[in-house]
Amino acid sequence: NAGVTQTPKFQVLKTGQSMTLQCAQDMNHEYMSWYRQDPGMGLRLIHYSVGAGITDQGEVPNGYNVSRSTTEDFPLRLLSAAPSQTSVYFCATSLGGSSLEQYFGPGTRLTVT
Amino acid sequence: AQTVTQSQPEMSVQEAETVTLSCTYDTSESDYYLFWYKQPPSRQMILVIRQEAYKQQNATENRFSVNFQKAAKSFSLKISDSQLGDAAMYFCAYRSAGYGNKLVFGAGTILRVKS
Repeated sequence: NAGVTQTPKFQVLKTGQSMTLQCAQDMNHEYMSWYRQDPGMGLRLIHYSVGAGITDQGEVPNGYNVSRSTTEDFPLRLLSAAPSQTSVYFCATSLGGSSLEQYFGPGTRLTVT
Repeated sequence: AQTVTQSQPEMSVQEAETVTLSCTYDTSESDYYLFWYKQPPSRQMILVIRQEAYKQQNATENRFSVNFQKAAKSFSLKISDSQLGDAAMYFCAYRSAGYGNKLVFGAGTILRVKS
């Protein structure tokens, strides 16, 4: 049982490049979310999903796309990276319903130059 | 929209002493949940304690306890008998009780523990 895994752990991109941050979970959780962490701002919600095929925007969705074709995977796509997207990205999962426990992945540190 | 404010960017405490981290929030909802998360240098997010807004009793988890003041919209974390391993960034977070599982975080407080 691996829990929540994120790949890669570190990534450096040039402005304008695209990439996908991967998030996978093996706990059969319905809810999955992406957050970004920036100094002095805490974690902010980018996109979230309440089940396969269902996604919605969070607080800071611009510049990011998501899809949820399976329960296990929730990739985050940067179509054209910008320096403002330099951040640490966390994926989080939850069983859903009345469950309060959220499980966070180890994070991906992304630098855009 | 809900907001969470942590007004202390950094705090220091002597080992074995007690420290209190502050958190205030703004919401028009009556039912919600509040959390404290710890983030050590490893970057892993660790749930420390949680509080259901409908419960008047303050939550306690071993050396960690909260002072939940619903009317004042205040949710402080008290760490007793501080240990070197408590040194970390601490985040206060809010979650609505309704559908979904979205968290709203404060900016965080860095806690340093002196030996």
